[in-house]
Amino acid sequence: RKEVEQDPGPFNVPEGATVAFNCTYSNSASQSFFWYRQDCRKEPKLLMSVYSSGNEDGRFTAQLNRASQYISLLIRDSKLSDSATYLCVVNKDSSASKIIFGSGTRLSIRP
Amino acid sequence: DTEVTQTPKHLVMGMTNKKSLKCEQHMGHRAMYWYKQKAKKPPELMFVYSYEKLSINESVPSRFSPECPNSSLLNLHLHALQPEDSALYLCASSQLPGQGRAQYFGPGTRLTVL
Repeated sequence: RKEVEQDPGPFNVPEGATVAFNCTYSNSASQSFFWYRQDCRKEPKLLMSVYSSGNEDGRFTAQLNRASQYISLLIRDSKLSDSATYLCVVNKDSSASKIIFGSGTRLSIRP
Repeated sequence: DTEVTQTPKHLVMGMTNKKSLKCEQHMGHRAMYWYKQKAKKPPELMFVYSYEKLSINESVPSRFSPECPNSSLLNLHLHALQPEDSALYLCASSQLPGQGRAQYFGPGTRLTVL
């Protein structure tokens, strides 16, 4: 089993739609969780950290389920500019220096 | 808008060349990282520096040699590389290497080894 698993997609949705991604992780000792977005041939950019109580930033909502070991990202009212690859990132264990990237989920928003 | 800068943006080198990649961060972070990313793959960790000391080496071949001259700068010295080393090399930094510290990436150096 991979340490961090994501559905690779691609997800192809119309502008204005709501889209959700899930990500599962294998190490129950993981403590830190993040979503990054990466545009083609660019660096990963932090989208949001994921907190135990769930958190929202504008159109983006992140949830953490420790019991089932998954995190999710919900994008509401999607924009063309949301087209990117979304990377689920989890710290490897209690050592936060090592983070593990999921393979990414490709999202394409169509007009 | 990134506060992690990397030079050069692109680098083409032969297998006998020696070159260096440079990274600088202006956020007062005390942990810095080198990653390698191949096309359509996630970044792979190479090295971690914590308080200017090498704390993690992910079994990287010795033809890659990192250096951290001070808390703001990180170099990656390259020597006798192979064509399969062609990739995007990303530098990142974070606050103290503790829990919940997100990493911030530079724009990367796209390396081609001929």
